Amino acid sequence: QKEVEQNSGPLSVPEGAIASLNCTYSDRGSQSFFWYRQYSGKSPELIMFIYSNGDKEDGRFTAQLNKASQYVSLLIRDSQPSDSATYLCAVRDRGTSYGKLTFGQGTILTVHP
Amino acid sequence: DGGITQSPKYLFRKEGQNVTLSCEQNLNHDAMYWYRQDPGQGLRLIYYSQIVNDFQKGDIAEGYSVSREKKESFPLTVTSAQKNPTAFYLCASSIGAAAQETQYFGPGTRLLVL
Repeated sequence: QKEVEQNSGPLSVPEGAIASLNCTYSDRGSQSFFWYRQYSGKSPELIMFIYSNGDKEDGRFTAQLNKASQYVSLLIRDSQPSDSATYLCAVRDRGTSYGKLTFGQGTILTVHP
Repeated sequence: DGGITQSPKYLFRKEGQNVTLSCEQNLNHDAMYWYRQDPGQGLRLIYYSQIVNDFQKGDIAEGYSVSREKKESFPLTVTSAQKNPTAFYLCASSIGAAAQETQYFGPGTRLLVL
């Protein structure tokens, strides 16, 4: 059973701080990794995707991938109250001929003023 | 505007009743997916379709059925065989099914049992 694990939180950070969200996965051959943000009662929206080891930056967001250790993380710099949401990590399975994603249970982030 | 639409936003099902959730996209995407989300949990795949007139079961297909007669449409029927249907149902689509293809989600349908 392929698994994607996230700390469910809640993770609470003050406004302006760096929020660090972590995700581990069990399938060493996983190819692609996605971070989605989901506001309460809404559908997930894509924030970042990463395929290669290392860091990928987009504005205040940085995704970090370490395939040897089988973890992917999301850093949010200068956190804002509007970043308060559930963050879902999704992993694309190796060897699938279609876009099957395995999701973690999500981490609840709260940014307080 | 391009996007994915789902209707209705809320749906109430009586015991023993089949209900159908609509999903339409005008993004010209080939692949479409149905997920279920329960409170405090991640998404679980119900069915997926890579092309018109073809679809495959996901991890939790029992009690559900789908059709893909048009590229734009992928309706999901929750049958009476699904004993615990209360959940948030999300439809997604992607250009294709390659490793780099990202999935985009519709606004969701919340199904409640009366």
